Amino acid sequence: GQQLNQSPQSMFIQEGEDVSMNCTSSSIFNTWLWYKQDPGEGPVLLIALYKAGELTSNGRLTAQFGITRKDSFLNISASIPSDVGIYFCAGQQVGSSNTGKLIFGQGTTLQVKP
Amino acid sequence: EADIYQTPRYLVIGTGKKITLECSQTMGHDKMYWYQQDPGMELHLIHYSYGVNSTEKGDLSSESTVSRIRTEHFPLTLESARPSHTSQYLCASSESFGKSVTDTQYFGPGTRLTVL
Repeated sequence: GQQLNQSPQSMFIQEGEDVSMNCTSSSIFNTWLWYKQDPGEGPVLLIALYKAGELTSNGRLTAQFGITRKDSFLNISASIPSDVGIYFCAGQQVGSSNTGKLIFGQGTTLQVKP
Repeated sequence: EADIYQTPRYLVIGTGKKITLECSQTMGHDKMYWYQQDPGMELHLIHYSYGVNSTEKGDLSSESTVSRIRTEHFPLTLESARPSHTSQYLCASSESFGKSVTDTQYFGPGTRLTVL
């Protein structure tokens, strides 16, 4: 089935550094979502993107919906220890809006060294 | 802030037992979902529902069953638990705002199931 390729798989950075991760797909999406999951918890929505080219910020987080509708990136500026967790991208394919089904990336595990 | 609840948060149970994982949301969302996730891995959709009295199988085959008798409630049942069912189960819900705007899913905290 359709998959999202999320990279990098893991990152280990120093506190204060900026972080960038991305997701790509071979087909067109009409929605991109970014979630963060802490251990033992459910994913929490960070940013939702609904239009190609859309650039949205949420505090130190910035995400963009790629102009080709096949990719998205998430940037975290000036990382802090509480940014640690697993970040998932999720997308909704064109034609899936009646079901609401999402396709999830494999996740990016972020570790921040104080 | 999403209002979606799952109980129990943790469950350790013996092989062969019947279990029901509860999921409730107070947002009036019409669509609900169940995902299975192994630690640190991606989410796999196992069931979803468009609304009351509708249930569909997800992308990952599962021996569990679901029901949707009320909008706010979407329980998942395993008739006979096995060690292979050990995993984290996540419930989510979303609301359709119309054909031009797509759904955003909100997740519960999850149930960590261990079958001995």
